[in-house]
Amino acid sequence: GEDVEQSLFLSVREGDSSVINCTYTDSSSTYLYWYKQEPGAGLQLLTYIFSNMDMKQDQRLTVLLNKKDKHLSLRIADTQTGDSAIYFCAESPFRNSGNTPLVFGKGTRLSVIA
Amino acid sequence: DTEVTQTPKHLVMGMTNKKSLKCEQHMGHRAMYWYKQKAKKPPELMFVYSYEKLSINESVPSRFSPECPNSSLLNLHLHALQPEDSALYLCASSQTPEGAGNTIYFGEGSWLTVV
Repeated sequence: GEDVEQSLFLSVREGDSSVINCTYTDSSSTYLYWYKQEPGAGLQLLTYIFSNMDMKQDQRLTVLLNKKDKHLSLRIADTQTGDSAIYFCAESPFRNSGNTPLVFGKGTRLSVIA
Repeated sequence: DTEVTQTPKHLVMGMTNKKSLKCEQHMGHRAMYWYKQKAKKPPELMFVYSYEKLSINESVPSRFSPECPNSSLLNLHLHALQPEDSALYLCASSQTPEGAGNTIYFGEGSWLTVV
């Protein structure tokens, strides 16, 4: 079955690093994604990682993938108040139709304290 | 340009009304999606169109009727909705429906309130 789990809340001080964790169940997922949603807004694609990679770095963002444990993490370095948002982990499991729509976790609400 | 445009941003409708949500992308993407998001919940998939054909319907009630007039446009026709259908409706698109290049881009959403 398709299931993505995340912790619901994370609070960090401005300037510290944030680490948001996610576990998924479907090993057929080719890509794994992190989306950011600010209040009242749509989803912004932050980054994604291909399933044959262990790590991807993009400026302040580092994604780590442990495919054996089906564990994904997002590290935000030097966290700023503008990073306060809900972060969704998502997988794209393969279906017989050939489509790979996203399955989302419940989202982690990141609060940054100045 | 990775833009998915949705209109209207806000819609209030009565339970007997007929209205439509519209979505547009000009990235040449051949897959388009509708998701529904309730407050404090993750988005839930409703429909997927692949190459202008409906390929996934996640058992959505018939009061929601999707339409893909061409490869750039996606509509969601609404009729006889219930107050519990009030939510943020998100449109998304991706280059292909599956496999490589399946990065999915979302619009800002349409906030729907059913009274």
